[in-house]
Amino acid sequence: AQSVTQLDSQVPVFEEAPVELRCNYSSSVSVYLFWYVQYPNQGLQLLLKYLSGSTLVKGINGFEAEFNKSQTSFHLRKPSVHISDTAEYFCAVSEGQAGTALIFGKGTTLSVSS
Amino acid sequence: EAGVAQSPRYKIIEKRQSVAFWCNPISGHATLYWYQQILGQGPKLLIQFQNNGVVDDSQLPKDRFSAERLKGVDSTLKIQPAKLEDSAVYLCASSLRGGVGAFFGQGTRLTVV
Repeated sequence: AQSVTQLDSQVPVFEEAPVELRCNYSSSVSVYLFWYVQYPNQGLQLLLKYLSGSTLVKGINGFEAEFNKSQTSFHLRKPSVHISDTAEYFCAVSEGQAGTALIFGKGTTLSVSS
Repeated sequence: EAGVAQSPRYKIIEKRQSVAFWCNPISGHATLYWYQQILGQGPKLLIQFQNNGVVDDSQLPKDRFSAERLKGVDSTLKIQPAKLEDSAVYLCASSLRGGVGAFFGQGTRLTVV
């Protein structure tokens, strides 16, 4: 069975600082990986996804993530955060070609202050 | 392109009452999901449809929850009778096919008192 572990429940950072949100997954089969962002009282918005190809994936709002198969990780990074990046971030995995639903981690709260 | 539409946005009911949520996916999306998101947790899959057939309902509490997707488009999720622990946000999502990521609606926040 697949699972996702988001290693930090809360990440406080100052504006314009870099940030990394960590995600590890477990699966016995090939996977697709995703990062979603959720603002208060909103649904989830896709930030970026890895399906195949280059292991460095660029997404919206200046975020990027790197797929590391040997370490089963998919960490999310941004070189300089803004106040508006304050939100909940979810890492998710699916069984790739099998077409299964996304399995989500518990989320990381990113709090950006000035 | 219109997104995933859900209604209502908010619902408050008493325990043991019944409630229904409605979802209209993005046009052309064959796969539809219902997720339950309890406060402070990640979304948990309740059911996945492919067109009007069920792909995965292994985590759906079938003694009280039911869902249908007639004609492979709109979907409804029903809870009867509701329990206090059903208080959560119910998210509907859709995608062209399973596994490739999905587009989410804004959710329905259910409070059971």
